[in-house]
Amino acid sequence: ETGVTQSPTHLIKTRGQQVTLRCSSQSGHNTVSWYQQALGQGPQFIFQYYREEENGRGNFPPRFSGLQFPNYSSELNVNALELDDSALYLCASSLTSSQETQYFGPGTRLLVL
Amino acid sequence: GQSLEQPSEVTAVEGAIVQINCTYQTSGFYGLSWYQQHDGGAPTFLSYNGLDGLEETGRFSSFLSRSDSYGYLLLQELQMKDSASYFCAALISTNKLIFGTGTLLAVQP
Repeated sequence: ETGVTQSPTHLIKTRGQQVTLRCSSQSGHNTVSWYQQALGQGPQFIFQYYREEENGRGNFPPRFSGLQFPNYSSELNVNALELDDSALYLCASSLTSSQETQYFGPGTRLLVL
Repeated sequence: GQSLEQPSEVTAVEGAIVQINCTYQTSGFYGLSWYQQHDGGAPTFLSYNGLDGLEETGRFSSFLSRSDSYGYLLLQELQMKDSASYFCAALISTNKLIFGTGTLLAVQP
């Protein structure tokens, strides 16, 4: 059974650019949630995708958007990057849309200069 | 607003027992989860309490009291590898999890 994988592991961008982060969910999981974790903080919920539809969103602006594909893998897109977007971006998959138990990937560390 | 309070740091010695507390203030509540995270790596699910009471999984136990908006994670027979950050997280709707700021546990020999 393959766990949750994310790519790339690290990324450096400049302010104003756009970035796409990718996540492959654990086998058999149809739900992916994305989180932003700033240094020294807990993960903050960005949004969830369930069966290719957005199914809940946290307090993030519209420049944070996502997709889920038929194989349940997912992308997080961030437009017009700001310095404060520098963080660890985590995706988590689960068997159902309920977030009682989630399996996290190793994350993508994004640095915005 | 939604908030979960945890101590920022806890120190204990190998073989001891440590309790990490979590108090929450949320607009909705379904249950409380606990996650372990080593040095910026992937958070790992430890336990979920949907009902009041104690849940035990090996050396780890978790407790929830809805009336007190309070929970804790109990780690027994501490090992060096337990040194990590521990997060409580409230399920405030079926599809939204809010994390606390985390507790850094340092296990000393």
